[in-house]
Amino acid sequence: EAQVTQNPRYLITVTGKKLTVTCSQNMNHEYMSWYRQDPGLGLRQIYYSMNVEVTDKGDVPEGYKVSRKEKRNFPLILESPSPNQTSLYFCASSFGQAAYEQYFGPGTRLTVT
Amino acid sequence: GESVGLHLPTLSVQEGDNSIINCAYSNSASDYFIWYKQESGKGPQFIIDIRSNMDKRQGQRVTVLLNKTVKHLSLQIAATQPGDSAVYFCAENSGGGFKTIFGAGTRLFVKA
Repeated sequence: EAQVTQNPRYLITVTGKKLTVTCSQNMNHEYMSWYRQDPGLGLRQIYYSMNVEVTDKGDVPEGYKVSRKEKRNFPLILESPSPNQTSLYFCASSFGQAAYEQYFGPGTRLTVT
Repeated sequence: GESVGLHLPTLSVQEGDNSIINCAYSNSASDYFIWYKQESGKGPQFIIDIRSNMDKRQGQRVTVLLNKTVKHLSLQIAATQPGDSAVYFCAENSGGGFKTIFGAGTRLFVKA
């Protein structure tokens, strides 16, 4: 089954404790992206990757890191999480030639206390 | 399910009626405009897209209209069904397709 998977689905952590949210897709997509979703603000793009070893900032990259060492994986790293990073996070992927048609993962609910 | 928007515009329609969801966009240089559907507890799901050089595109039961003069996008759903109840997001895409900006969303309720 073609899909985007994220782990964990739910995470409660404390301020300053480094964490990684994994994202993996099995569709051989070139493009991957991370979004956060907050009430009333819609989805905002954090980082995106056009292909392996090629990443760029979205609209809200502060406090996040990403890496793209393999085509299928695009982990989101929070080096020192803060309460304002409490949010619902989505990973998405698409073919490079139709990057606008994104397939989204199920989401990761992160709470930072 | 997850709360995706506490203060979203809401549209309530009767089952079988047509629905029209509207969106204003900001970037005249956007290449594509896209509609996504998000059901409770799930990630957004692609519905339909329209390229910036088009003004109308039809899919299965859905039509997207683009008015570049007033920077307005709409999604029309024909014969709305209970399964159409969800939050609908418009999005604009630029930078070769890699930068995406989402609207705040509209919640659609379908009354049986």
